Parts: sequence; C-alpha cells; structure tokens
Amino acid sequence: GNSVTQMEGPVTLSEEAFLTINCTYTATGYPSLFWYVQYPGEGLQLLLKATKADDKGSNKGFEATYRKETTSFHLEKGSVQVSDSAVYFCALSQSGGSYIPTFGRGTSLIVHP
Amino acid sequence: GAVVSQHPSRVICKSGTSVKIECRSLDFQATTMFWYRQFPKQSLMLMATSNEGSKATYEQGVEKDKFLINHASLTLSTLTVTSAHPEDSSFYICSARSIERNYGYTFGSGTRLTVV
Repeated sequence: GNSVTQMEGPVTLSEEAFLTINCTYTATGYPSLFWYVQYPGEGLQLLLKATKADDKGSNKGFEATYRKETTSFHLEKGSVQVSDSAVYFCALSQSGGSYIPTFGRGTSLIVHP
Repeated sequence: GAVVSQHPSRVICKSGTSVKIECRSLDFQATTMFWYRQFPKQSLMLMATSNEGSKATYEQGVEKDKFLINHASLTLSTLTVTSAHPEDSSFYICSARSIERNYGYTFGSGTRLTVV
C-alpha cells in the first residue's frame, strides 16, 4: 500500500536559518506528491505539489523536488521566518492527485526570533 | 480560489449530548467530501467519505452509528457526533473535492471538539 514517512519533529530553528524537512514515500506507479501546512488552530492548506518525477514545486519561498530514484520529496526553505512556525504534512495521491491523499505524521516547525 | 467553510471552529459539550459540525463549499460544488480526525501531534485519520445523495463510506474501526454523516447537497456535508464521550474530544477536519477544480482537495479550518 501507499505510505509516507516524515522526519520526526519538532524542528527548532532560529530566524533566517535553512530548513529541510525530509519526506520519503512508498507507492505503486507514479503518485502526485504534496506538502500541506497547518498553522495553529487551523485546517490544512496546500503549500506546494509536484505531479511527476523531477518536477519542483515551489511557493512562499518553500520548494521540494520529486525524486523518483530516492522516492523522496524533501521540503526546503533558504531562510525561515517566525511566521513559518506550523506543522508540515507530506502527502501523496494516486491517479494524478484525484485519489484521497495519504498523509505523513506531520513535522512541527518552531522558528525563534 | 476554492473555499470550504467549517463551523463551528470550537465547541464544548457535555457527555451524552450530540454535536453537529457543518462543512460548506462556498464557491464550488463538492462532489465528494471527506471527514478526518486528528489526534494531538499525529496525522489525519480518514473517518469517512461521502458523495452527495449517497450513504457515507466509513473507514475500518469508525462507528457509523456514532459519527453520522449527511451529504444532502453538493455544497453541504454534516458530521454529527452522537452521545459524545470525553474520548471523542479531538480536532475534526473536513475536505471537499470537486470535478470542476480538477479534483483538487480543499480543507476546512477544522473544529476543536471538547467533551466534558
């Protein structure tokens, strides 16, 4: 079956530090990959996505590259801000993204001033 | 963009009472809606999938008589937690999918339920 594995958090960084949150997946075929962000007390928001190998998704300074050879979709940002503090979920979906997503456990990011 | 409104955002109820949570798609028709439960520091657990006008499909281990789901229209789905107990306290999130929106998923802002 499908599964998503994320690095355990929390990840604690100082403002302007470099961020990497690791995500690897197991799936049949060629799933679409997503990163969602959940701010405190809110629902999930789609942050970025990639639908095929070597695609790079990017949004708000975050980016992630679909690596089929390593089955990974690591999230990166060059310089984090306090406002980036949230929980980040990696997810995959089959059939071009039309199937219900399978989520990872989420990684909490805490950014200190 | 696509917006899903979920209400209420927070609710506190007494044990034994029922609570209804609403999920509305504001600017699109949601052919399918999903209900999730999120435990502290854990991922989202899919509870059930509902298609407009049909009975909901529940995931294994989810009590359908306790978590009643109604999807009476293309813009509204409701989750009713019946005879609530403290262990039902959780964060519930709905998600809507639309053919118009290329099958994209849009999430509601969630409901924090506390049963006392």
